[in-house]
Amino acid sequence: QVQLQQSGPGLVKPSETLSLTCAVSGGSISGYYWSWLRQPPGKGLEWLGYVYYTGATNYSPSLKSRISMSLDTSQRQVSLKLRSVTAADTAIYYCARIGGVLDPFDFWGQGTQVTVSS
Amino acid sequence: SYVLTQPPSVSVAPGQTARITCTENNIGSKSVHWYQRKPGQAPIVVASDDTDQPSGIPDRFSGSISGNTATLTISRVEAGDEADYFCQVWESTSDHPWVFGGGTKLTVL
Repeated sequence: QVQLQQSGPGLVKPSETLSLTCAVSGGSISGYYWSWLRQPPGKGLEWLGYVYYTGATNYSPSLKSRISMSLDTSQRQVSLKLRSVTAADTAIYYCARIGGVLDPFDFWGQGTQVTVSS
Repeated sequence: SYVLTQPPSVSVAPGQTARITCTENNIGSKSVHWYQRKPGQAPIVVASDDTDQPSGIPDRFSGSISGNTATLTISRVEAGDEADYFCQVWESTSDHPWVFGGGTKLTVL
């Protein structure tokens, strides 16, 4: 059974960098898009971007200047970095796996509540 | 931008049928997926309108589309079905191609 275990700080100061990691156990890394999503308070889920198993990335245009994602296949970890955060970046962040653009996100991490505050 | 509209809440008695809708003008041409999220847990996919039933999901959960509305139907509702449910499509023309509805809180009375 595939499991995605997220880790990272729950509190980040304004202007600093949010860093989260998603450890993948079970299943294959290959052939999948490893995505990050978030849900701000009172709002719907927002797709942030993905890193393909080849290392190719695609980011939300609204975050492109601040976001980066990477995949360490040997460690089976997916990473998210979001720079220069503000209160608007406060959200529950999720990692998730998807096989193809028309497929569902079939496995998700448990979510990490990240609050941006001084 | 592409917007999927869901009712904020739906309430149903145990044993009855719950229907949660997801509306958008062009949704009939999309592949729609439905997710269940319980507090503190990872979301799980419970239905898709054009694929086989997700592994481990009872057939009480089903998805369908008619006109501009996709519907998640939960038959013989149980207390354990109480959760947030949200719909999702892939919209190739959008800046954010994976689009989600705002979510619906299902309350089992």
